[in-house]
Amino acid sequence: GENVEQHPSTLSVQEGDSAVIKCTYSDSASNYFPWYKQELGKRPQLIIDIRSNVGEKKDQRIAVTLNKTAKHFSLHITETQPEDSAVYFCAASGFGNEKLTFGTGTRLTIIP
Amino acid sequence: EAQVTQNPRYLITVTGKKLTVTCSQNMNHEYMSWYRQDPGLGLRQIYYSMNVEVTDKGDVPEGYKVSRKEKRNFPLILESPSPNQTSLYFCASSSGTSGWDTQYFGPGTRLTVL
Repeated sequence: GENVEQHPSTLSVQEGDSAVIKCTYSDSASNYFPWYKQELGKRPQLIIDIRSNVGEKKDQRIAVTLNKTAKHFSLHITETQPEDSAVYFCAASGFGNEKLTFGTGTRLTIIP
Repeated sequence: EAQVTQNPRYLITVTGKKLTVTCSQNMNHEYMSWYRQDPGLGLRQIYYSMNVEVTDKGDVPEGYKVSRKEKRNFPLILESPSPNQTSLYFCASSSGTSGWDTQYFGPGTRLTVL
């Protein structure tokens, strides 16, 4: 089955700096890669996703890049703000694959 | 309001006492799933359902049962809970029939098994 590894487990950055979280996956058939954000005491919510026919996707300050050859994908947050502090989860799934496999999460702390 | 609801939100029980956590969605979603969240382990899928009467095991199904008799409901059943099932549980639903679509999570159920 699919295995998703996520690094780092914790990340602290100064407000205004950029943050990068990286994930690797094992199943070369995976081609859907969402990122979820979970604020303290809240439920996970989708913030961005990418499918394998695209190498990069941006949404304002958030971007995701995908390298299918190396089987890794990354979340980039620019101009970080205090409200970006949360736990971020990457995940992977294959087309027609009913399962969604999550990484172990990254706790991002933005230092004012 | 489109939402996924779970009940109860908090539950403390004892080993061996059967319990059910309910999950309901009002978005007419095909796909529903249960996850457990443990520190350092992320979200792990327990069971999922692609449609009524169709369920399948996720990555950590041992000790759990599910049923999908109606499209909107997907209860999680612990027949004989054990302390290692103490966890935060999330139900989720999505409009498609695979893990390929946006998952909408419920508020979570914090379960403690003594």
